[in-house]
Amino acid sequence: DADVTQTPRNRITKTGKRIMLECSQTKGHDRMYWYRQDPGLGLRLIYYSFDVKDINKGEISDGYSVSRQAQAKFSLSLESAIPNQTALYFCATSGFAGGDTQYFGPGTRLTVL
Amino acid sequence: GENVEQHPSTLSVQEGDSAVIKCTYSDSASNYFPWYKQELGKRPQLIIDIRSNVGEKKDQRIAVTLNKTAKHFSLHITETQPEDSAVYFCAAWVPGGFKTIFGAGTRLFVKA
Repeated sequence: DADVTQTPRNRITKTGKRIMLECSQTKGHDRMYWYRQDPGLGLRLIYYSFDVKDINKGEISDGYSVSRQAQAKFSLSLESAIPNQTALYFCATSGFAGGDTQYFGPGTRLTVL
Repeated sequence: GENVEQHPSTLSVQEGDSAVIKCTYSDSASNYFPWYKQELGKRPQLIIDIRSNVGEKKDQRIAVTLNKTAKHFSLHITETQPEDSAVYFCAAWVPGGFKTIFGAGTRLFVKA
């Protein structure tokens, strides 16, 4: 079944550590997104990519970087994690240029101590 | 910048009652408005959407209305059931930025 997967599902790390969250999809979509979810703040866009050569900053990109290794893979990195990056992170994909359904992965719960 | 405001942040209703969640958006060019439901511990999933060329769309117990002049759109759930309890997000597609902006979410409690 075509889907969006994320690894790891849970991660606890310490301040200053480098962390990579990975996302893979089998939907054949070109567009991929990374969101952060915090209570009361909804889903905020960190980075998005329309193809392997295209990377765009979202509203909260500071402290994060991304890599689009292939059409199906989009990774999010925290170069030096800090406690206020503790959150639930979602990867999503969509397939239509004019605004379309986003398909979310299961999420990664990250805790930075 | 682009913004989507969503109200209320929490809504509690009795089973069988109706629930209404309202959103406003800032970018007049927005032309696609999806609604997502996120059950506890799960991923957000689309439940209904509307494009700017229609004013209302209905799917069984849920409906969405759009007022482009006022830049308002709303989700209506009738005959609520306990399984409707979840967080609901409205969103608006921003054509100029090729991205979707989400509201802050509404936590709906349906009391049996």
